[in-house]
Amino acid sequence: SQQGEEDPQALSIQEGENATMNCSYKTSINNLQWYRQNSGRGLVHLILIRSNEREKHSGRLRVTLDTSKKSSSLLITASRAADTASYFCATDPNTGNQFYFGTGTSLTVIP
Amino acid sequence: GAVVSQHPSRVICKSGTSVKIECRSLDFQATTMFWYRQFPKQSLMLMATSNEGSKATYEQGVEKDKFLINHASLTLSTLTVTSAHPEDSSFYICSAEAYYGYTFGSGTRLTVV
Repeated sequence: SQQGEEDPQALSIQEGENATMNCSYKTSINNLQWYRQNSGRGLVHLILIRSNEREKHSGRLRVTLDTSKKSSSLLITASRAADTASYFCATDPNTGNQFYFGTGTSLTVIP
Repeated sequence: GAVVSQHPSRVICKSGTSVKIECRSLDFQATTMFWYRQFPKQSLMLMATSNEGSKATYEQGVEKDKFLINHASLTLSTLTVTSAHPEDSSFYICSAEAYYGYTFGSGTRLTVV
């Protein structure tokens, strides 16, 4: 089952704008990960943030984690048409069992 | 919404034996399925892309003779770990492309003893 939920489900922006996606989850976690998936291709790991971290950067990506609200956000700055893809958050619960994915945000960046 | 059922959720097997993991799309047809593995506290790694009616496409470093993938119908893809070894112990998860996007199985925890 999928416990994560991304918001919004779909997002369309102009090239150069920033894109923000949110993820909420239900249980305590070890870490939270963000992935992207281009149409017809497999997941690509973007960034992992641990439960004791609040913010992490990687290039044009910025991820925040609020464990008290059980939520995370992914910010893509200065978006490019090549950023068009589906973005998923995934949580690694500290129960040690399953790995939960959200439903994904479909991002379209218009050139 | 589109649901993918993955079975079994947990399996323990002896070293040298083979294990089959099934991934079924319950209410849609999945032309393409993806197989991933995850080692503890690491991210998912794509193993292969499974296309119905054709040979799977394996990622670099994944042994196709060890991880046999069969996608014989539009609703079923299987991953068989052959001659399993303790280092194959991992979490395996499948994903399918549904009409609205992608959906994931619940994963299989494989332990080889």
